[in-house]
Amino acid sequence: ETGVTQSPTHLIKTRGQQVTLRCSSQSGHNTVSWYQQALGQGPQFIFQYYREEENGRGNFPPRFSGLQFPNYSSELNVNALELDDSALYLCASSLYGVQYFGAGTRLSVL
Amino acid sequence: AQSVTQLGSHVSVSEGALVLLRCNYSSSVPPYLFWYVQYPNQGLQLLLKYTTGATLVKGINGFEAEFKKSETSFHLTKPSAHMSDAAEYFCAVSEGQGGSEKLVFGKGTKLTVNP
Repeated sequence: ETGVTQSPTHLIKTRGQQVTLRCSSQSGHNTVSWYQQALGQGPQFIFQYYREEENGRGNFPPRFSGLQFPNYSSELNVNALELDDSALYLCASSLYGVQYFGAGTRLSVL
Repeated sequence: AQSVTQLGSHVSVSEGALVLLRCNYSSSVPPYLFWYVQYPNQGLQLLLKYTTGATLVKGINGFEAEFKKSETSFHLTKPSAHMSDAAEYFCAVSEGQGGSEKLVFGKGTKLTVNP
């Protein structure tokens, strides 16, 4: 059984660009959540997908959007990047309410 | 709204000493509670979880935590610290299966283990 995998591991973008981050769920998990972890902070909930539908959203602007595919993998898209978007982005898949995290994608916006 | 407070952003112990990391939560529904560990430049690893049932839960690497509803606490302990325990620890709460599964995290406690 494979765990949660995220790609890429590191990414450097410039302000105003767009970025797509990817996540493969743990086998059998139908729910995917995304979190943003700024340096020195705890993770903040961005949104969650359950069976391809958004199932809750945190306090993030609409330029943060996502998708979940039939195989339960997921993408996080961020448009019009800002300097404050620099963070570790974590994906977690879950079944029965327990979330398991990937290693994250570290995004740097210059 | 749910919230988590972790008392002490930094905790330092000697190798072999007791580790105690404090977590208090607020929730309007029966909570699911979690402790995660994060090593430098890595993601979050689940240490242990409380969902229902026994209030004393055991996790990996010798850690355990006790859910105390009356005190709204879920403190993490380990009898004897090891150098490899040095990491950042996050307490989190959710409404659990059937409710909002989003995790609300505390700000984290960085554990240093001195030789």
